[in-house]
Amino acid sequence: DTAVSQTPKYLVTQMGNDKSIKCEQNLGHDTMYWYKQDSKKFLKIMFSYNNKELIINETVPNRFSPKSPDKAHLNLHINSLELGDSAVYFCASSLRVTGELFFGEGSRLTVL
Amino acid sequence: GQQLNQSPQSMFIQEGEDVSMNCTSSSIFNTWLWYKQEPGEGPVLLIALYKAGELTSNGRLTAQFGITRKDSFLNISASIPSDVGIYFCAGLSGNAGNMLTFGGGTRLMVKP
Repeated sequence: DTAVSQTPKYLVTQMGNDKSIKCEQNLGHDTMYWYKQDSKKFLKIMFSYNNKELIINETVPNRFSPKSPDKAHLNLHINSLELGDSAVYFCASSLRVTGELFFGEGSRLTVL
Repeated sequence: GQQLNQSPQSMFIQEGEDVSMNCTSSSIFNTWLWYKQEPGEGPVLLIALYKAGELTSNGRLTAQFGITRKDSFLNISASIPSDVGIYFCAGLSGNAGNMLTFGGGTRLMVKP
């Protein structure tokens, strides 16, 4: 069974569109995250949720809106996509806020 | 903000050679983690370190938590082709909202 699963794995879309990436973890973890990995492979945190509540919101444009319907799910919705949004987006979870992160396989977003 | 300087940025070695990489910071960390990312996959946790001076092994991998708490090292002995990937260090300070900070990664290539 996949511990942290995210869909879709690949997403190609036009500028200006709105898209969502879904994430689910079956580890029973309390905290979930979204990271962005750019073309240079640098991992940058975007959001962190603990028990469905937002605890970290780095300097991310408000076109990005995370939603956590329950503590096993953290979805990422992106409005008005721009070329610079092209990247691999990773969902991750940890048992607690200070715990080790377990990552999903990533969702590669390409904006044309 | 906190930064982790990871070096070298890339290594191209012969199968069978030993590998060393390190991570340094100007800030103190309470936890050091080492991850490996293979192409098309998410980072996978290799080793977690929780105490200054701690030395931990995982098969051919050995990592150390620096005594100053500002650095960590990862060694891979007798490298094999499947060691190829990007190795990331990550540190947790207990400050900055307990946010995990990632190094820029070391890209390892192994020639059979």
